[in-house]
Amino acid sequence: GAVVSQHPSRVICKSGTSVKIECRSLDFQATTMFWYRQFPKKSLMLMATSNEGSKATYEQGVEKDKFLINHASLTLSTLTVTSAHPEDSSFYICSARDLMVLRSGAQHFGDGTRLSIL
Amino acid sequence: AQSVAQPEDQVNVAEGNPLTVKCTYSVSGNPYLFWYVQYPNRGLQFLLKYITGDNLVKGSYGFEAEFNKSQTSFHLKKPSALVSDSALYFCAVRDVSDKVIFGPGTSLSVIP
Repeated sequence: GAVVSQHPSRVICKSGTSVKIECRSLDFQATTMFWYRQFPKKSLMLMATSNEGSKATYEQGVEKDKFLINHASLTLSTLTVTSAHPEDSSFYICSARDLMVLRSGAQHFGDGTRLSIL
Repeated sequence: AQSVAQPEDQVNVAEGNPLTVKCTYSVSGNPYLFWYVQYPNRGLQFLLKYITGDNLVKGSYGFEAEFNKSQTSFHLKKPSALVSDSALYFCAVRDVSDKVIFGPGTSLSVIP
């Protein structure tokens, strides 16, 4: 089945550091990938939609200069949390939908990245 | 606006008993509905989806869901719960802009 690989799975770093998270579709191509943020025991909050070859679309209230998204190929999207602070600590999850599957196809999720800012 | 509700934060069921996790939705047009499961510190795993056709949808790990248009519901069910089914369950709907909107989640605990 379709696999989405997300790396790293866990990051612990100091305040002020920038952190890059990668999301790769391993056996399918995706023009669109999605980035979510999840707080403990809460639902997923869509942060942005990553579009291959163009600018990402950010949800209301999400700072685009804080959360930089790059979707340089049909199999890779990256999220960079710039100058991270403790309030950015969270579980970040990416997902992708197979380009060749109709709109009715399910999204495939990475295993998430646990970001902890000290 | 599209929305998904899961009225129960927590569902407890004894092992071997049937389980139901409830979901209601609000969407314009024909709904694309999904159920996902999340284990601790992991991403989401797809269980099943309803697009069109039979109202009873069968999915992974013995789960099924019943689409009820008049009640705008899409409840997840399993005839006999396993301890390993204990996890967080999310109902989701895809809206007209292709975004997936998730419900708040229901924590399922299966008691041995």
